[in-house]
Amino acid sequence: QKEVEQDPGPLSVPEGAIVSLNCTYSNSAFQYFMWYRQYSRKGPELLMYTYSSGNKEDGRFTAQVDKSSKYISLFIRDSQPSDSATYLCAMSGGSQGNLIFGKGTKLSVKP
Amino acid sequence: DADVTQTPRNRITKTGKRIMLECSQTKGHDRMYWYRQDPGLGLRLIYYSFDVKDINKGEISDGYSVSRQAQAKFSLSLESAIPNQTALYFCATSGSWTGGAQYFGPGTRLLVL
Repeated sequence: QKEVEQDPGPLSVPEGAIVSLNCTYSNSAFQYFMWYRQYSRKGPELLMYTYSSGNKEDGRFTAQVDKSSKYISLFIRDSQPSDSATYLCAMSGGSQGNLIFGKGTKLSVKP
Repeated sequence: DADVTQTPRNRITKTGKRIMLECSQTKGHDRMYWYRQDPGLGLRLIYYSFDVKDINKGEISDGYSVSRQAQAKFSLSLESAIPNQTALYFCATSGSWTGGAQYFGPGTRLLVL
């Protein structure tokens, strides 16, 4: 079993839809959870950062962590064509540890 | 100005050539990383450095070497490039205070013929 699993998609939705992106993981020691957004031919950009369990909201974006199920989610409300990108989840066991990345989900939001 | 810069942005080279990719940062972070990204394989860690005197191998270090010239500079060398090193290369930085969050440069697209 891989440490971090992420459905590669592609995922295509109409503008205005609610998007749900997910990752599962196997290492119960993970405590720091992140979502990165990567536009084509660009570097990954840190989008959301969560420590331990719970929800975090930033504008149209909500990150959820369920440590009991080893499952993290990113929700995008009122999706826009500018949200079209690849979204990577990442996690680590501590602030000293290296990040383990999912392979990314490619999202396309159609006008 | 970008916080993490990489040079060159694009490079075409031939098999057997030695090349160097450079990374500089103005974020004041103490930790720096080199990754490669391939379609279907995601981001894979090549080397990382927690401070100027610290160098560590990552998941796929064979065929690569690094140098941490200063806190703000971290270079990646391919001693003898081969075609399967064709990939997108990213430098990233983090601070011991950033809770593991890493910040990426714009990438270098490398083609080895």
